[in-house]
Amino acid sequence: LAKTTQPISMDSYEGQEVNITCSHNNIATNDYITWYQQFPSQGPRFIIQGYKTKVTNEVASLFIPADRKSSTLSLPRVSLSDTAVYYCLVAPSGSARQLTFGSGTQLTVLP
Amino acid sequence: DAMVIQNPRYQVTQFGKPVTLSCSQTLNHNVMYWYQQKSSQAPKLLFHYYDKDFNNEADTPDNFQSRRPNTSFCFLDIRSPGLGDAAMYLCATRSFLQVSGETQYFGPGTRLLVL
Repeated sequence: LAKTTQPISMDSYEGQEVNITCSHNNIATNDYITWYQQFPSQGPRFIIQGYKTKVTNEVASLFIPADRKSSTLSLPRVSLSDTAVYYCLVAPSGSARQLTFGSGTQLTVLP
Repeated sequence: DAMVIQNPRYQVTQFGKPVTLSCSQTLNHNVMYWYQQKSSQAPKLLFHYYDKDFNNEADTPDNFQSRRPNTSFCFLDIRSPGLGDAAMYLCATRSFLQVSGETQYFGPGTRLLVL
């Protein structure tokens, strides 16, 4: 089971790019990396998922180096509404088990 | 829209009085999960169903049970709630018919208060 480590908190200002890094040193060959966003009193919401290199969607980008021991979630031009907890999750493809969340990163966007 | 629905959003129960939380999904996903999330903590996986197969996490207390009568519905039963069981309970689904199969879809959660 790949354990993840993230910064507990980060502050940013509106309009800046934010990068949140997650360490997963013992990631397995068949593990995918997924990031979720959670607002207070709501369920986590899927942001992006990847296996290697770079993935981009309309919300964020995910950078995964060749060794896959870390990943970086990049949020372009954040706004106040991006203030939330961001979770990195590493889990094996094809298995329903082992979906354990790390401690998450509280991102606070300041005006 | 297809979604994961949890009812009620807020549930108040008394210490020791059994309570059932409900989850339904219109996604036709074959896996359903229950998580417990306490204040300022990450969601903690309690158990999951893969189709009809129930999978309990090793550290989930016996006080927590689950039922899945069909693909669409899943219930969380807390037989004798204690004050420490007050938390947000999250239901999630996942489908292995997707290419990657790793995305979970979460419901809005039910916040349980134990008096």
